[in-house]
Amino acid sequence: AQRVTQPEKLLSVFKGAPVELKCNYSYSGSPELFWYVQYSRQRLQLLLRHISRESIKGFTADLNKGETSFHLKKPFAQEEDSAMYYCALSKGYGNKLVFGAGTILRVKS
Amino acid sequence: GAGVSQSPRYKVAKRGQDVALRCDPISGHVSLFWYQQALGQGPEFLTYFQNEAQLDKSGLPSDRFFAERPEGSVSTLKIQRTQQEDSAVYLCASSLVGNTEAFFGQGTRLTVV
Repeated sequence: AQRVTQPEKLLSVFKGAPVELKCNYSYSGSPELFWYVQYSRQRLQLLLRHISRESIKGFTADLNKGETSFHLKKPFAQEEDSAMYYCALSKGYGNKLVFGAGTILRVKS
Repeated sequence: GAGVSQSPRYKVAKRGQDVALRCDPISGHVSLFWYQQALGQGPEFLTYFQNEAQLDKSGLPSDRFFAERPEGSVSTLKIQRTQQEDSAVYLCASSLVGNTEAFFGQGTRLTVV
């Protein structure tokens, strides 16, 4: 069965420190992975998808099929990065998504 | 427009009542998805429409849940005889087609008492 695991409920870092939000998945086919973000009092929005290989707001994520991981990284955290982050896997077609439980990122000044 | 719009934002229902949740997608978006998000969990897929056709309803948890999109625009998720376990945030998302970026609404928080 397809599953997405985000092992940390909360990640707290200081401003300027590196950030790594962990995501592991299980999927029998060729996965398409996403990171979604929800800032306080805002709606869920797409941050990045692995097929586009972009860096958005300084965040990057590399798909590692050997480790079945798609960790989200940023070299220097900023206070405005504080939010809930969800890793998601496309289940069959584009936006039929399986989400992880989410990780709250808190960036302290 | 202003994005995907959902109403009501909050709904309190007594156990056994029927509820209807509305989603106004972005104009021109062909694909529409409903998700259910329980407290402390990520969203879980419920159902998918392409225009007015409901192509996938594999995530609907029981036959008390019913969704429609009769004219290929506005969608309604109906829950009959609500139960406490139905308490959740219900999210709607739309996209131009099935695999382009999905835009989410603010959600409807349903509380069954």
